[in-house]
Amino acid sequence: AQTVTQSQPEMSVQEAETVTLSCTYDTSESDYYLFWYKQPPSRQMILVIRQEAYKQQNATENRFSVNFQKAAKSFSLKISDSQLGDAAMYFCAYRSALRKNSGGSNYKLTFGKGTLLTVNP
Amino acid sequence: ETGVTQTPRHLVMGMTNKKSLKCEQHLGHNAMYWYKQSAKKPLELMFVYSLEERVENNSVPSRFSPECPNSSHLFLHLHTLQPEDSALYLCASSPLPFGQETQYFGPGTRLLVL
Repeated sequence: AQTVTQSQPEMSVQEAETVTLSCTYDTSESDYYLFWYKQPPSRQMILVIRQEAYKQQNATENRFSVNFQKAAKSFSLKISDSQLGDAAMYFCAYRSALRKNSGGSNYKLTFGKGTLLTVNP
Repeated sequence: ETGVTQTPRHLVMGMTNKKSLKCEQHLGHNAMYWYKQSAKKPLELMFVYSLEERVENNSVPSRFSPECPNSSHLFLHLHTLQPEDSALYLCASSPLPFGQETQYFGPGTRLLVL
């Protein structure tokens, strides 16, 4: 079974600074997807960024970028120029790539416990 | 706003009550999910529906009963719950066929069982 570990329960950053959130995962599979989700105090979970394991290039989305190290099974999220609106719980998630006739388990997102990010003005 | 709505947003119920949570998605998706989010624990997948057919039941107690009448609506019927069932219940949807699809989440229903 896959597991996702976020070793930092809480992180803080000064506004306009850069912060990196850590995520490691354990899998025996070679094809999968990784996600970072953000859950602000309003509680609506929002996708921040997505990475396909077969792609060597790190995904970027505006101020958000990842450092994907497949061999190390590491998937960290870097937030540049942090803003007050970035304050939220951040979840790392893993999903197996679809395999035919393998049932519902490939629908499953496996989440880490989350990192609470505080942005200080 | 992600296009997935949930009602009610907050619910308090006694252990002998029967209530239902509702989820509606306006994204044209064909897969829908129920997750449970408890404090200090990762999100737990409860149920998955694909084209209105249940494809995953992640060892959830029978006091939780899902229903998916069509691809836009998903219900979670609750009866004789326990205090440890208090949590945030999140609904999500995603498109088919499955690939690198993103799951879009609703705002959740905060459930308190007394």
